[in-house]
Amino acid sequence: GAVVSQHPSRVICKSGTSVKIECRSLDFQATTMFWYRQFPKQSLMLMATSNEGSKATYEQGVEKDKFLINHASLTLSTLTVTSAHPEDSSFYICSAESGYGYTFGSGTRLTVV
Amino acid sequence: DQQVKQNSPSLSVQEGRISILNCDYTNSMFDYFLWYKKYPAEGPTFLISISSIKDKNEDGRFTVFLNKSAKHLSLHIVPSQPGDSAVYFCAASARGATNELIFGTGTLLAVQP
Repeated sequence: GAVVSQHPSRVICKSGTSVKIECRSLDFQATTMFWYRQFPKQSLMLMATSNEGSKATYEQGVEKDKFLINHASLTLSTLTVTSAHPEDSSFYICSAESGYGYTFGSGTRLTVV
Repeated sequence: DQQVKQNSPSLSVQEGRISILNCDYTNSMFDYFLWYKKYPAEGPTFLISISSIKDKNEDGRFTVFLNKSAKHLSLHIVPSQPGDSAVYFCAASARGATNELIFGTGTLLAVQP
């Protein structure tokens, strides 16, 4: 089956620093990858859609300059949280569509202190 | 190896009938299970959850059943409505309701009028 590897699984960073989260499709090519943020009550909010070789499409209300998305290859998409603040602390998860359906990464728990 | 499996990629049901979506898991440490619903171009939204101390949870037309010995859960929608047509994901957590989720690959439900 399709696997999306996401890391780090947990990261603690200081306020003002940047954190990069990677998602790799291990056994399929993902031309499109989705980035989500988990909010209380378990709802996931779609932040942006990254497309290989082109600019990401951000959802309304998501700051492009704060959440930098790069999809440089068919197997790698990255989300960089720049100048992180405590309110950015959350669970971030990526997903991609493969021949098996939507495959999610294992998520990244970001804590900004 | 996938810890959460949804073996049916799609399901078609007539309006008014019951929809049954299935999910199997392998990790006996999972103690909280959730179902999400996803429309195209949107992030998954939380639908219903169940703790491992229960075997059934009901919310309106949606009921989730958990069979711990079989490591199996199912989502029943009755009566099914055309607006229920979406991709349904089951997810599991090993450390309670607010922690990281492991997702299945989803089942596309089509409710025919």
